[in-house]
Amino acid sequence: AQKITQTQPGMFVQEKEAVTLDCTYDTSDPSYGLFWYKQPSSGEMIFLIYQGSYDQQNATEGRYSLNFQKARKSANLVISASQLGDSAMYFCAMREAGYSSASKIIFGSGTRLSIRP
Amino acid sequence: NAGVTQTPKFRVLKTGQSMTLLCAQDMNHEYMYWYRQDPGMGLRLIHYSVGEGTTAKGEVPDGYNVSRLKKQNFLLGLESAAPSQTSVYFCASSKTGLAGVEQYFGPGTRLTVT
Repeated sequence: AQKITQTQPGMFVQEKEAVTLDCTYDTSDPSYGLFWYKQPSSGEMIFLIYQGSYDQQNATEGRYSLNFQKARKSANLVISASQLGDSAMYFCAMREAGYSSASKIIFGSGTRLSIRP
Repeated sequence: NAGVTQTPKFRVLKTGQSMTLLCAQDMNHEYMYWYRQDPGMGLRLIHYSVGEGTTAKGEVPDGYNVSRLKKQNFLLGLESAAPSQTSVYFCASSKTGLAGVEQYFGPGTRLTVT
């Protein structure tokens, strides 16, 4: 069964520093996708970045990059030059491949990131 | 472009009452989902739909029913609300069910059952 683990309930980081949010996953499907979402205090879920299991390079989107280590089954989110607006909950999620009726995303429990000025 | 909308945004119910949450998307997406989010936890899938007229159970379906009579709408029903159903409910949609396809989320509905 697929599983997502985020072991950091909360983190404090100084503004302008880089931060790494950890995510490990478990799946028996060789084809899957990994996502990171941001949830600010206003409550909406904002898509940040995606990594496919067959992608050769780590995904990057602006200040966000995904450190994908397939053998370790980890997909850590790296935020460079953190800003006060990065303070939020961050969720790692995984979806296994295919059109099967079981195709769905599962979420980790989240990491609350707080940026200090 | 509205994306995914949810109605209502807030609701307070008494135990045993019923209600329906409405989700609407204007992106012509095939897949739609209902999640609940409890404090300190990630989102858990309640029910989902892979197309108009279809529904399927997710991780935590008990106490909920759903319907997808129109492609753009996905309704979540609580027939007899219980305090354990106090949560924030998110609707989402995606173009397909493929692994790399992003889910777009609505703003959420905060439901309190007293």
